[in-house]
Amino acid sequence: SQKIEQNSEALNIQEGKTATLTCNYTNYSPAYLQWYRQDPGRGPVFLLLIRENEKEKRKERLKVTFDTTLKQSLFHITASQPADSATYLCALIEGYQKVTFGTGTKLQVIP
Amino acid sequence: DVKVTQSSRYLVKRTGEKVFLECVQDMDHENMFWYRQDPGLGLRLIYFSYDVKMKEKGDIPEGYSVSREKKERFSLILESASTNQTSMYLCASSSRQGATNGKLFFGSGTQLSVL
Repeated sequence: SQKIEQNSEALNIQEGKTATLTCNYTNYSPAYLQWYRQDPGRGPVFLLLIRENEKEKRKERLKVTFDTTLKQSLFHITASQPADSATYLCALIEGYQKVTFGTGTKLQVIP
Repeated sequence: DVKVTQSSRYLVKRTGEKVFLECVQDMDHENMFWYRQDPGLGLRLIYFSYDVKMKEKGDIPEGYSVSREKKERFSLILESASTNQTSMYLCASSSRQGATNGKLFFGSGTQLSVL
């Protein structure tokens, strides 16, 4: 099955800067890749999805890129705010319905 | 909005007890999932179901079983709880792939402690 790697170290950035999180996978390229946000003690919440034929997807201050050659997705939060502090998970679908997650990267936005 | 409800927020059980974790979704989703989440290991899939009475093993099914008698309800069963099953358990649902591209809706989780 797929192995999904996210930087396990926490990412600390200053408020107003752009946060960039990385997601790498090891096997075949999925048809699409998803990003979720998780706050402490809560279930993950879906943020964005990007398809293999899309290079980039935007939603408000969020931007996701998908490079099937590098087997990598980048997740950007521009003009970051303390309220963006959370753990961000990437996920992809294997087979028909099985969704596999990375371990997540904890983002801390410092005022 | 989709609501996925897990029956308990916190649960404390003894080793060897049979434990039932219940999950109900209100959006008529075909697919339902059980994950456990542990620090440093992320979310790991235990079982999923793509239809009533259907189930598929995930990555870590050992020590668990599931039941899906009705479309809206998916139960996780720990036949004989052990301390290494202490974890956060998360239920999720999704509509059939193609409708929403597998977007998952999660419950708030059940923190299970096995003593």
